[in-house]
Amino acid sequence: AQKITQTQPGMFVQEKEAVTLDCTYDTSDPSYGLFWYKQPSSGEMIFLIYQGSYDQQNATEGRYSLNFQKARKSANLVISASQLGDSAMYFCAMSSSNTGKLIFGQGTTLQVKP
Amino acid sequence: EPEVTQTPSHQVTQMGQEVILRCVPISNHLYFYWYRQILGQKVEFLVSFYNNEISEKSEIFDDQFSVERPDGSNFTLKIRSTKLEDSAMYFCASKDRTRIRAGETQYFGPGTRLLVL
Repeated sequence: AQKITQTQPGMFVQEKEAVTLDCTYDTSDPSYGLFWYKQPSSGEMIFLIYQGSYDQQNATEGRYSLNFQKARKSANLVISASQLGDSAMYFCAMSSSNTGKLIFGQGTTLQVKP
Repeated sequence: EPEVTQTPSHQVTQMGQEVILRCVPISNHLYFYWYRQILGQKVEFLVSFYNNEISEKSEIFDDQFSVERPDGSNFTLKIRSTKLEDSAMYFCASKDRTRIRAGETQYFGPGTRLLVL
């Protein structure tokens, strides 16, 4: 069975500093995708970054990068130069079934302090 | 930039009533999904839909739930007889590929917050 684990219920970071949000996963599928979504207090789900299981390089999207360690089954999100607007819930998710459904972790609440 | 839209944004209903949640996926997308998020909890998969039929459903998606794509643009989730525990945020999502492969990004709508009294 597929599973996503986010062990940090809440994180604090000082504005302009970098922060790493942890995500580990479990799957027996050889091909899968890993995603991070941001959910601000308004409730919408905003796609941030994607990593394919066969991608050789770690994904980057602006201030977001994904630290993909396949052997350890981890896909941590790194946010550089944190901004106040980064305060939100962050979900790690995995897709590997034929239908592409997403399995989500429990989420990590990030608060950026001025 | 194209986006997934959902209506209504909020709905309050009485237990036992039927509700229909509506979604307009991004126009060239072929795969459609419904998820729900009970307050304070993680997002849970309900159902996936492709080629005018359900391709996968979770154990949550029982006989009280149904989905439909009545025309070329709308994608609906119907709950026939709502229960208190159906209170949640319901998200529609869509993705674009002509063939299924793990990893294509799903874009989410803003959600419908359903409250069952």
